[in-house]
Amino acid sequence: KNQVEQSPQSLIILEGKNCTLQCNYTVSPFSNLRWYKQDTGRGPVSLTIMTFSENTKSNGRYTATLDADTKQSSLHITASQLSDSASYICVAAKAQAGTALIFGKGTTLSVSS
Amino acid sequence: NAGVTQTPKFRILKIGQSMTLQCTQDMNHNYMYWYRQDPGMGLKLIYYSVGAGITDKGEVPNGYNVSRSTTEDFPLRLELAAPSQTSVYFCASSPGQGASNQPQHFGDGTRLSIL
Repeated sequence: KNQVEQSPQSLIILEGKNCTLQCNYTVSPFSNLRWYKQDTGRGPVSLTIMTFSENTKSNGRYTATLDADTKQSSLHITASQLSDSASYICVAAKAQAGTALIFGKGTTLSVSS
Repeated sequence: NAGVTQTPKFRILKIGQSMTLQCTQDMNHNYMYWYRQDPGMGLKLIYYSVGAGITDKGEVPNGYNVSRSTTEDFPLRLELAAPSQTSVYFCASSPGQGASNQPQHFGDGTRLSIL
């Protein structure tokens, strides 16, 4: 069964601290792994996209890693800011025609001052 | 650059009513999608289109219809609204398909309640 599991479900950290969000996927055949940020009341916004041959990709203070062998990905946020408070969604894409994106349920991050 | 624009932002419907959720994009993307997002759940694909005149069912198409007469517009039609269709609906577009390394661009959603 194609699925994406994210952990933790929610997380609270202090401003300035780092954190890491986890994603495990069982999608086959696998094409790429995406991380999206979704602010409350807004649509998801793409942070990173990694193919199976890429191990890491950064976007500012966001760094995503991918281990295609263990089917695991992580999103590391450095020096968190209040504006990082959002839901972070992991998405695995299948290698097939048309569209086949499998969405995780998201990790809700709250950054407090 | 407006990106993907959805209207309306909020709507309350009575059971059995019908309505059309509008979606337009100004990025000349071939691919467009409709998703629903239920509380605590991942986004589910309702319908998608690979270009004008071509549409196909996603994971949860029952109770919905779509059309794609132009590259820019991809409206979603709800016929005979039911409480199970209460959700947040997102439209998205992309230049390539899901297997490509191109992100989907999302609108800000339509929050729909069926009472």
